Amino acid sequence: EADIYQTPRYLVIGTGKKITLECSQTMGHDKMYWYQQDPGMELHLIHYSYGVNSTEKGDLSSESTVSRIRTEHFPLTLESARPSHTSQYLCASRAGQGAFEAFFGQGTRLTVV
Amino acid sequence: QKEVEQDPGPLSVPEGAIVSLNCTYSNSAFQYFMWYRQYSRKGPELLMYTYSSGNKEDGRFTAQVDKSSKYISLFIRDSQPSDSATYLCAMDKGSGYALNFGKGTSLLVTP
Repeated sequence: EADIYQTPRYLVIGTGKKITLECSQTMGHDKMYWYQQDPGMELHLIHYSYGVNSTEKGDLSSESTVSRIRTEHFPLTLESARPSHTSQYLCASRAGQGAFEAFFGQGTRLTVV
Repeated sequence: QKEVEQDPGPLSVPEGAIVSLNCTYSNSAFQYFMWYRQYSRKGPELLMYTYSSGNKEDGRFTAQVDKSSKYISLFIRDSQPSDSATYLCAMDKGSGYALNFGKGTSLLVTP
């Protein structure tokens, strides 16, 4: 079983609130990712990091931000939640060069009302 | 054109049936081809992977890659109700960037 954890698992929050989705991994992986998953749609990459102090936006435009101050921690923040942010957010990590397997957390299902 | 195409289904089969799941892709730079399985309310888990063209077998599962046709398949023999899940194909160029995923095919195996 992968050692990557996301909290909370489920979150219902009002419009305009600031939220942070937590993701931690204990495998020492350099690469970490945030994906957004909606029913019947591809996993869309919204942010990624190749290591400490490295963050990039992914293919899907997102109003969220991320930080990578420690190798094991990759939180995602929404400054002002909107109903359009309602989705499942998946965090993943991979080891260094040559490693192709991504390990996923259980996901955070966010509902903005 | 999306780089990875996968029919989302749903696909419903009786227990014991042979299941065939497929993806097509457009980018010839992909080198690693993977199948992830995702149970309801869980994150995806790697099921099988292949490098370049060819077949790979693991128990009841067989992964097949045809790079000339840009087509990959996952076969499940003697399907079980516990195989009910969403199966996502994923591909990697080997450059260290993120994986490219298909939409996932929802499979239901009925007893």
